[in-house]
Amino acid sequence: KNQVEQSPQSLIILEGKNCTLQCNYTVSPFSNLRWYKQDTGRGPVSLTIMTFSENTKSNGRYTATLDADTKQSSLHITASQLSDSASYICVVSDDYKLSFGAGTTVTVRA
Amino acid sequence: GAVVSQHPSWVICKSGTSVKIECRSLDFQATTMFWYRQFPKQSLMLMATSNEGSKATYEQGVEKDKFLINHASLTLSTLTVTSAHPEDSSFYICSASLGQGPYSNQPQHFGDGTRLSIL
Repeated sequence: KNQVEQSPQSLIILEGKNCTLQCNYTVSPFSNLRWYKQDTGRGPVSLTIMTFSENTKSNGRYTATLDADTKQSSLHITASQLSDSASYICVVSDDYKLSFGAGTTVTVRA
Repeated sequence: GAVVSQHPSWVICKSGTSVKIECRSLDFQATTMFWYRQFPKQSLMLMATSNEGSKATYEQGVEKDKFLINHASLTLSTLTVTSAHPEDSSFYICSASLGQGPYSNQPQHFGDGTRLSIL
C-alpha cells in the first residue's frame, strides 16, 4: 500500500525563525511529489511540484527538496511569517493516483 | 490565473435531503476534476475523478449512487450528496487540472471547499 508519512504532526515556531517539515513515502512507481499549503477552512494551494530528476525547488520563502533514492522530501520555510500558519500537505503521485500525507500543522507566533 | 470556485461554501440541512455542490474553473478549461472529502485534522481523501463528458471514476468504498458526479462541461463539475445523513457531514473539496488523470504533472488547483453539516 502506498503511504506518505509526514513529521512532525505539528509545530510551533516564533515569527522570523526557520523550520523544516519532513515527508517520507513508499509510493512506487514515483511520478511526482507536491507540497501544498492549506489554511484552515480553505482548499490547498500548490507550493511546489517536483519530478524524479529534480532535487530542489523554491517558491519564495518555501524550498522543497527531494531525495528519490531514500524516498524523502522536506519543505523548508525561511524567515517565517504569521501568515505561514497553516497545514502543509505532502502529496506523492504514482502512475495512477495521488497519495496524501496527513499534513503538518505549523503555528507561527509573534 | 488557475482559479477554482466552489459553491456553496457552507451548507446546513436536514437529514434525508440532497445537496448539490458546484465546482467551476474560472479562467481555464479543466480536462479533469476531482472530488475530495476531508475530516477534521485528517488529510484529503479522493472520492472520485471525473473527465468532461464521461462517467466519473469512483475510489474504492465510495458509493456512486450516494455521491452523484456530473461533469457536463470543461469548466463545471457538480457533486450531489443524495439523501444525506449526519455521517455525510464533512468538508468536501474539488480540484481541477489541465492534465489527464491524477498522476499528471500538471498541478491540481483546489476550490475553497464546502462544509456540509447534516442535522
